[in-house]
Amino acid sequence: KNEVEQSPQNLTAQEGEFITINCSYSVGISALHWLQQHPGGGIVSLFMLSSGKKKHGRLIATINIQEKHSSLHITASHPRDSAVYICAANNAGGTSYGKLTFGQGTILTVHP
Amino acid sequence: DAGVIQSPRHEVTEMGQEVTLRCKPISGHDYLFWYRQTMMRGLELLIYFNNNVPIDDSGMPEDRFSAKMPNASFSTLKIQPSEPRDSAVYFCASSFGETNTEAFFGQGTRLTVV
Repeated sequence: KNEVEQSPQNLTAQEGEFITINCSYSVGISALHWLQQHPGGGIVSLFMLSSGKKKHGRLIATINIQEKHSSLHITASHPRDSAVYICAANNAGGTSYGKLTFGQGTILTVHP
Repeated sequence: DAGVIQSPRHEVTEMGQEVTLRCKPISGHDYLFWYRQTMMRGLELLIYFNNNVPIDDSGMPEDRFSAKMPNASFSTLKIQPSEPRDSAVYFCASSFGETNTEAFFGQGTRLTVV
């Protein structure tokens, strides 16, 4: 079973700060997902990546396959970025294609 | 497409009652997943279907839980009888294809068993 570890568990920042959330996984994957969940809300997929880097607006996600590590960066953070960010590994091989193993999530609070 | 649609959004029921959660996946998606989210355990996969067939139900906690997918556009998750420890948010998600595919989540059903 893949273990997915996120850090930090809680993160508080001031508006405008650069934010990094880290994710490590223990076994090979076919893809890694970053998800966002607002309080009381549903889950939204931010990125799905299997190599390199992806950028969407102020969000950047990177992955290092050799080191089994991914990071989510938020530039010029804003209070509306406050949410739980969840890393999820899409396990490679076997019969469980498409099954995600989730990290515990990082609670981000951005103060004005 | 309206996305993955779950109903109800909120459900409060008494212990021992039967609870049925419903999900309509995105049209054309061939994978459907049921997840449960609690404070203690985070998000956990309960069961998933491929082309309406259950593939892996190893995450279903007990025999009180059952899931069906009678057709490509509808799935149910049933708990009978419900217990207070079943209180959680239940998410349905769907995706297309086998690997490296994005999963689209519904808004979730918040279940409270009193």
